[in-house]
Amino acid sequence: EPEVTQTPSHQVTQMGQEVILRCVPISNHLYFYWYRQILGQKVEFLVSFYNNEISEKSEIFDDQFSVERPDGSNFTLKIRSTKLEDSAMYFCASSEVKSQPQHFGDGTRLSIL
Amino acid sequence: DQQVKQNSPSLSVQEGRISILNCDYTNSMFDYFLWYKKYPAEGPTFLISISSIKDKNEDGRFTVFLNKSAKHLSLHIVPSQPGDSAVYFCAADQGGSEKLVFGKGTKLTVNP
Repeated sequence: EPEVTQTPSHQVTQMGQEVILRCVPISNHLYFYWYRQILGQKVEFLVSFYNNEISEKSEIFDDQFSVERPDGSNFTLKIRSTKLEDSAMYFCASSEVKSQPQHFGDGTRLSIL
Repeated sequence: DQQVKQNSPSLSVQEGRISILNCDYTNSMFDYFLWYKKYPAEGPTFLISISSIKDKNEDGRFTVFLNKSAKHLSLHIVPSQPGDSAVYFCAADQGGSEKLVFGKGTKLTVNP
């Protein structure tokens, strides 16, 4: 069964550094998403991306965050200058069309030191 | 933000019995609901969904019930199996929006 893949599985970064989280969505899917889950808290929506542009974003997704689809297969989340509170599991998801189930990757654990 | 609530952090059930996981929501604009299962060190796995125009959806051992007037949905697993032991998340989507709003999850343990 096709799946969403995320790399790396764990990323450790010094505070203030830039980090890029990578995702390969399911190949025929058109909508892409990033979510995060801080330890002990809910899974929270960050951003959705369709047709090469952001279609929706949350208040969390401020100017420090950006997303990109640099080629036909990858979807990336960049955090420009990481803060301690960015430590979380980051999940990428994709769906074939809007309002269809979103399928999640296994996440990247981001640890900011 | 408590738009989707799963009030039971954990549930323990005997193998072969029914597991019932509950979810309440406050936003009457939600029109699509999903259940996800999550094992440790993995991402959420989609299980089953229901549109607000229905009150029941069934897929094998999994059935989701939606009570719109009570703003309540439940997931029934029959019969429960040890492999069903995981954290179950309820999520909701509002028409026109692409974001899923998640509950905190319920940890289900199915004892052999």
